[in-house]
Amino acid sequence: DAGVTQSPTHLIKTRGQQVTLRCSPKSGHDTVSWYQQALGQGPQFIFQYYEEEERQRGNFPDRFSGHQFPNYSSELNVNALLLGDSALYLCASSWGQGATDTQYFGPGTRLTVL
Amino acid sequence: AQSVTQLGSHVSVSEGALVLLRCNYSSSVPPYLFWYVQYPNQGLQLLLKYTTGATLVKGINGFEAEFKKSETSFHLTKPSAHMSDAAEYFCAVSRAVGTYKYIFGTGTRLKVLA
Repeated sequence: DAGVTQSPTHLIKTRGQQVTLRCSPKSGHDTVSWYQQALGQGPQFIFQYYEEEERQRGNFPDRFSGHQFPNYSSELNVNALLLGDSALYLCASSWGQGATDTQYFGPGTRLTVL
Repeated sequence: AQSVTQLGSHVSVSEGALVLLRCNYSSSVPPYLFWYVQYPNQGLQLLLKYTTGATLVKGINGFEAEFKKSETSFHLTKPSAHMSDAAEYFCAVSRAVGTYKYIFGTGTRLKVLA
């Protein structure tokens, strides 16, 4: 049973560029959440997608956008990159409509902005 | 609003000694509580979770946690530390009305001394 997968593993970009990160949920899961984990911090919620729509959004600017595909996979897009966007980006998947469904995390994508 | 406080950003224990990692939460509704472990350069792995029912929860790798409503705590323990337990541990809370996100603490880095 494949767990949550993310690509790429590492990414280096320069300020002002745009980046797309990808996530495939655990088999049987239909909900994808994205988190940003800055160095030395806990993960911060970016947004969650369910039925191809953004269901909830955290305190992140509009530069952060996402998409969920019919096969439940998801993308996170960040435009106009800033140095402060350097972080580990984690994708988590879960099943169902409940707010408390257990979220399973992928290995993350390490983004470095120079 | 929900929040999580993890006391002690760094904890060191000797191999074979008791592990105690502290987590206190704030929530206006009965919370769901989670402990995750993160090994270097990896994503988060679920150790255990409390939803309802028995307040003492057993997880993987010999860890357990007890939900204490009166103390608003969910401390993580393991009777005997192993070198392989060295990692960062995150406590998280969910289940506020109308929200699907997890709120994480800032983490506790556990060091196990030989």
